[in-house]
Amino acid sequence: NAGVTQTPKFQVLKTGQSMTLQCAQDMNHEYMSWYRQDPGMGLRLIHYSVGAGITDQGEVPNGYNVSRSTTEDFPLRLLSAAPSQTSVYFCASSFRGHTGELFFGEGSRLTVL
Amino acid sequence: AQSVTQPDIHITVSEGASLELRCNYSYGATPYLFWYVQSPGQGLQLLLKYFSGDTLVQGIKGFEAEFKRSQSSFNLRKPSVHWSDAAEYFCAVGSTGNQFYFGTGTSLTVIP
Repeated sequence: NAGVTQTPKFQVLKTGQSMTLQCAQDMNHEYMSWYRQDPGMGLRLIHYSVGAGITDQGEVPNGYNVSRSTTEDFPLRLLSAAPSQTSVYFCASSFRGHTGELFFGEGSRLTVL
Repeated sequence: AQSVTQPDIHITVSEGASLELRCNYSYGATPYLFWYVQSPGQGLQLLLKYFSGDTLVQGIKGFEAEFKRSQSSFNLRKPSVHWSDAAEYFCAVGSTGNQFYFGTGTSLTVIP
C-alpha cells in the first residue's frame, strides 16, 4: 500500500515564484490536511478538508491555497513564495477526522531564496 | 484556545533506562489525545491514542501513556529504552473543529 504520497520531496524556489505540492492517498480517507514543520514550532495546520469539495483554514493559512476535487488528492499551492515559507511540509489523512489516527506522507522540504 | 505543551525540548537517557516524556494540554471538552514519533527524515507515526475509558493506554513499541484529567496531562512512558527509540516525539490533541494541535516536540537521544 502506498498510503500518503507527497511530491516533490525537495524544492528550491525564488521569492515570488509559485508552485504546487502534491498529495495523494489511496486509503479512501475523507479527511486530509497540510502541516508545516519548523524548528521549535512543532507541526502547524495550514489547511484541511473533510471531503471532496470542502476545505477550511487551519492555524497558518496565509500564503497558501488548497482545493479538493477528488477524495484522493489534496494539492497545496503557494501563489507567491516568500522566504518565510521555507519549511518542511507534511500531508496527512485520517479516516475519522480529528478522532482518528493521522497517516503522514514523508514530507516535502521547500527552500525559498 | 486549544494548545499542547511539551516542556522538555531534549532528553537524553541511557539504553535500558526508563523514559517519561511530558505533555500538557489545554482543551475545554474531553480531549482526543495522541502521541506520534518521527524518525529523522520521515513522517510521523502513531504510537498510541486516548479517547475515553481506561486512562492507561498501551501503544506500539512498548510505549504507554497515562491520561490525568486533573493535571491536564498525557505523559508517555517506556520502562526500558532501546537505541532505536531515538527520535522526536510529538503529543497532539484533536479538536471538535476537525483540527489537530501538536506540541513542539521532544527530541530523545539514547546513550549506549
